Amino acid sequence: GQQVMQIPQYQHVQEGEDFTTYCNSSTTLSNIQWYKQRPGGHPVFLIQLVKSGEVKKQKRLTFQFGEAKKNSSLHITATQTTDVGTYFCTYSGAGSYQLTFGKGTKLSVIP
Amino acid sequence: EAGVAQSPRYKIIEKRQSVAFWCNPISGHATLYWYQQILGQGPKLLIQFQNNGVVDDSQLPKDRFSAERLKGVDSTLKIQPAKLEDSAVYLCASSLGGFSTGLGQETQYFGPGTRLLVL
Repeated sequence: GQQVMQIPQYQHVQEGEDFTTYCNSSTTLSNIQWYKQRPGGHPVFLIQLVKSGEVKKQKRLTFQFGEAKKNSSLHITATQTTDVGTYFCTYSGAGSYQLTFGKGTKLSVIP
Repeated sequence: EAGVAQSPRYKIIEKRQSVAFWCNPISGHATLYWYQQILGQGPKLLIQFQNNGVVDDSQLPKDRFSAERLKGVDSTLKIQPAKLEDSAVYLCASSLGGFSTGLGQETQYFGPGTRLLVL
């Protein structure tokens, strides 16, 4: 079956440092969505990537979809305390409509 | 625009009791999802409705869990009888149509969730 790994599971950074989380799949993905969940909150949609090699930016956040559509990354430049939370990649396999969440990367930002 | 509403926000029950959760999706959203999120894990899809029909319930433990969306709007999720391992946050989400196209998946909008503790 499809195996998708999200790494790292936890990341502690000093405020102002950069942060990157990776989502790696053993098979081709139709698309990738990234969600953020604040502590005690619910997942909130950030971005969707569909095309091979796609790169999208939202202010300090940069999202990439690999050329083979098997991996994706979320990079945050100069983290702030408001970036604290768990970042999930969600994905659909080719031809599937079901959305599956990865285990997430929990980001802590030390002021 | 009002978001996805869920109630109750918190529930504590003893094992073997029954419990029900309610969800009101965003107006006009045809697709409704119920997820279970165990502490420290990502949400796991339990069931997906398209209007009042079930699209996917492959991960719903049907011996104890049931869900309905009779009029294609509100939905209820029931657990009977509850087990200790059912302690989790139950998230409801909705989206406009729910099916994948060449443009990718639709955005899902999540409610605040119901935190269930089974003692």
